[in-house]
Amino acid sequence: GAVVSQHPSWVICKSGTSVKIECRSLDFQATTMFWYRQFPKQSLMLMATSNEGSKATYEQGVEKDKFLINHASLTLSTLTVTSAHPEDSSFYICSASGGRVNTEAFFGQGTRLTVV
Amino acid sequence: GIQVEQSPPDLILQEGANSTLRCNFSDSVNNLQWFHQNPWGQLINLFYIPSGTKQNGRLSATTVATERYSLLYISSSQTTDSGVYFCAVEGRGSTLGRLYFGRGTQLTVWP
Repeated sequence: GAVVSQHPSWVICKSGTSVKIECRSLDFQATTMFWYRQFPKQSLMLMATSNEGSKATYEQGVEKDKFLINHASLTLSTLTVTSAHPEDSSFYICSASGGRVNTEAFFGQGTRLTVV
Repeated sequence: GIQVEQSPPDLILQEGANSTLRCNFSDSVNNLQWFHQNPWGQLINLFYIPSGTKQNGRLSATTVATERYSLLYISSSQTTDSGVYFCAVEGRGSTLGRLYFGRGTQLTVWP
């Protein structure tokens, strides 16, 4: 299957700082990538849809100014958590789908963010 | 959005036992996937199965799209099967690749 790589796997940052998370599709091009958030023992909730060359589409309740998404190329999307606070601590995971008929989604390894 | 319900929420098995996990969804789908989330959080693709039946080793899955459900079968379970199993669907008319997740089934297999 296709490979999606996410970096870093974990990060600890101080409250008020910003953190950038990268999501790369290694062996296919992805015009659309997705960013999910998962709280402990809960399901994955979509935060935003990242569109190559255009603005991201955010789900209701997600602050676009806090969670900046950039999809500068067909293989890279970045999520920047700006002015992070302890309540932003969570597991963030990206996905991408390479096909138009077979739309199987593949996920990155995820990033565990802890804000202290 | 489309609703996805998984059952049971928790399942505890002895090694060697068989199990069936169920996923119900509320509308027509383009895509249905089963994932296993390992202890590090990685989502492992198990099946891409919008309809029909597939088998991979001790695991198999069946999706009956007309009745809006899917089943994941685990036979001869092993301790390494422990973890959370998620069902996720892409609804008709949704952005390609956008998945709606169920709450998952937490599987614990004891030796």
